[in-house]
Amino acid sequence: DQQVKQNSPSLSVQEGRISILNCDYTNSMFDYFLWYKKYPAEGPTFLISISSIKDKNEDGRFTVFLNKSAKHLSLHIVPSQPGDSAVYFCAASVGAGKSTFGDGTTLTVKP
Amino acid sequence: NAGVTQTPKFRVLKTGQSMTLLCAQDMNHEYMYWYRQDPGMGLRLIHYSVGEGTTAKGEVPDGYNVSRLKKQNFLLGLESAAPSQTSVYFCASTNRGVTGELFFGEGSRLTVL
Repeated sequence: DQQVKQNSPSLSVQEGRISILNCDYTNSMFDYFLWYKKYPAEGPTFLISISSIKDKNEDGRFTVFLNKSAKHLSLHIVPSQPGDSAVYFCAASVGAGKSTFGDGTTLTVKP
Repeated sequence: NAGVTQTPKFRVLKTGQSMTLLCAQDMNHEYMYWYRQDPGMGLRLIHYSVGEGTTAKGEVPDGYNVSRLKKQNFLLGLESAAPSQTSVYFCASTNRGVTGELFFGEGSRLTVL
């Protein structure tokens, strides 16, 4: 039973437009949510996070939105750049403990 | 900026052989983790450690053993490798802090023939 799901394996957007990556979770005990970015042949790197007491967190071009009632979060990238092309993983944890990851979404930003 | 270092980066084994993956971190982190990533899938937790001398099972621990004899090192062992263990292995560490952000190594690609 997968507790963190990213239902879109891939997403393609034009440079300068908005990228929206989605993530759903089932465990209501999760209280920290993180996004990681992964380039080929590299390890994932932390991008942005949000705690369950907030519904939005912003860092430059990246914004994460959390809808607790729907158990859904999304990552918005505006404007999208070709260098944003990567695999994005959603992760969730209880009390900032060990993280459970989704399967990832491959984002391609076309010039 | 070493961060988290994994060795080896690539390895090919025959079924039944044993090997050890080494993870070393220089950030004085308490928590260390071993994940595996299979094609089209996310990272699944194998084993983890919450401090020197401690280990615990994760989501997919069967066929693996771990040791954390020193705070900066976390070893992942395969006693008798199987083709199902062909994967990319990632080590991560953290001090948890506010969000539990993980710092990952570059990965170790293991192929079992």
